[in-house]
Amino acid sequence: ETGVTQSPTHLIKTRGQQVTLRCSSQSGHNTVSWYQQALGQGPQFIFQYYREEENGRGNFPPRFSGLQFPNYSSELNVNALELDDSALYLCASSLRLAGGLRQETQYFGPGTRLLVL
Amino acid sequence: RKEVEQDPGPFNVPEGATVAFNCTYSNSASQSFFWYRQDCRKEPKLLMSVYSSGNEDGRFTAQLNRASQYISLLIRDSKLSDSATYLCVAIYNFNKFYFGSGTKLNVKP
Repeated sequence: ETGVTQSPTHLIKTRGQQVTLRCSSQSGHNTVSWYQQALGQGPQFIFQYYREEENGRGNFPPRFSGLQFPNYSSELNVNALELDDSALYLCASSLRLAGGLRQETQYFGPGTRLLVL
Repeated sequence: RKEVEQDPGPFNVPEGATVAFNCTYSNSASQSFFWYRQDCRKEPKLLMSVYSSGNEDGRFTAQLNRASQYISLLIRDSKLSDSATYLCVAIYNFNKFYFGSGTKLNVKP
């Protein structure tokens, strides 16, 4: 096991609602990245948090936002849910070294399955 | 055009076969590359890093070709347990991660 945990494991919401997903990173890791994986697709990068700030973002609208806490755990918030937001949401933790530039290997949590009705 | 492209497969091979997957990337500034495997309804798990010099881990060999902008994964002596989806990922600017859609492998007895 990677030591990365996510909660909840499953979630059902309706269009227009808001959702918060949580991730605890592996011990010793300082960086958390969030991904959306639709059925039959690869993970799509949403954003990364390092030192409690967003550090890199993929092609996702502002209604996808996040937080990182001093203990390096993280939240993903999605507002105004749409049907297409139904997916597996994965977080991955890693350790950034060498002045914050070198990106080490990412380890994934088990994911949260979100269904929007 | 997608940042990273993979043949979705499926690749159906018998046990003991050798199989190879390629993955092309569009951004020549991509810095790091990895292969992950993903079992059905599970999270991706790191398989191996990919270096220009090539690297080998048991039955698995990964290679990077920067001139042609592709990475490859070779699996020798396929086992039933190798059946999974194999995802490649390219990292750009140290903080942008692009996964391919995955290549499905079915190893049959």
